Amino acid sequence: GNSVTQMEGPVTLSEEAFLTINCTYTATGYPSLFWYVQYPGEGLQLLLKATKADDKGSNKGFEATYRKETTSFHLEKGSVQVSDSAVYFCALSVNIKTSYDKVIFGPGTSLSVIP
Amino acid sequence: EAQVTQNPRYLITVTGKKLTVTCSQNMNHEYMSWYRQDPGLGLRQIYYSMNVEVTDKGDVPEGYKVSRKEKRNFPLILESPSPNQTSLYFCASSPKPRGTSGRRKTQYFGPGTRLLVL
Repeated sequence: GNSVTQMEGPVTLSEEAFLTINCTYTATGYPSLFWYVQYPGEGLQLLLKATKADDKGSNKGFEATYRKETTSFHLEKGSVQVSDSAVYFCALSVNIKTSYDKVIFGPGTSLSVIP
Repeated sequence: EAQVTQNPRYLITVTGKKLTVTCSQNMNHEYMSWYRQDPGLGLRQIYYSMNVEVTDKGDVPEGYKVSRKEKRNFPLILESPSPNQTSLYFCASSPKPRGTSGRRKTQYFGPGTRLLVL
């Protein structure tokens, strides 16, 4: 089946520390991969995405590379800020019927950045 | 401003009392979905709609109903709520993909509705 696994946390880092949140997936076919971010009290927002193997998605200093050989899409940021405190969701989309791709989310990783 | 709105944002109710959570988008998107978010489980899809009058079950549809009479609205109906439906609910919309470029289009999420069923 199709699924996403990610470290649940919570992860606590000091400001300017390096961030890695691991994400691995199982999927039939060739999924697109996403990272969504949920700030406190808000809905999810797309952070970055990659649609094929070896693509790198990047946004706001975050990066993730679509690794087909390891079925992974790890999220990284070189220097986190307090404003990055949020819950991060890894997700994939797979085609389940004509013109419709289903999105499957991981459990989310809570990140707290302390000054 | 392009957005997905949900109402109410917070709701406390009792078992068996029918309720409706509204969802509206102003982006003319064809696709809309409802998710519930529970700790350790991420988001699970309840129902989705590919267009007006076209709806289908997601992964956890039991106990829920939806309708899509207009393109912009996609209400979630709990006919007889139970405590196990206590959760955080999100509505999302996305445009229909055109061709194969870019594959899945980005989903836009509402702010969420926190429901407590006593």
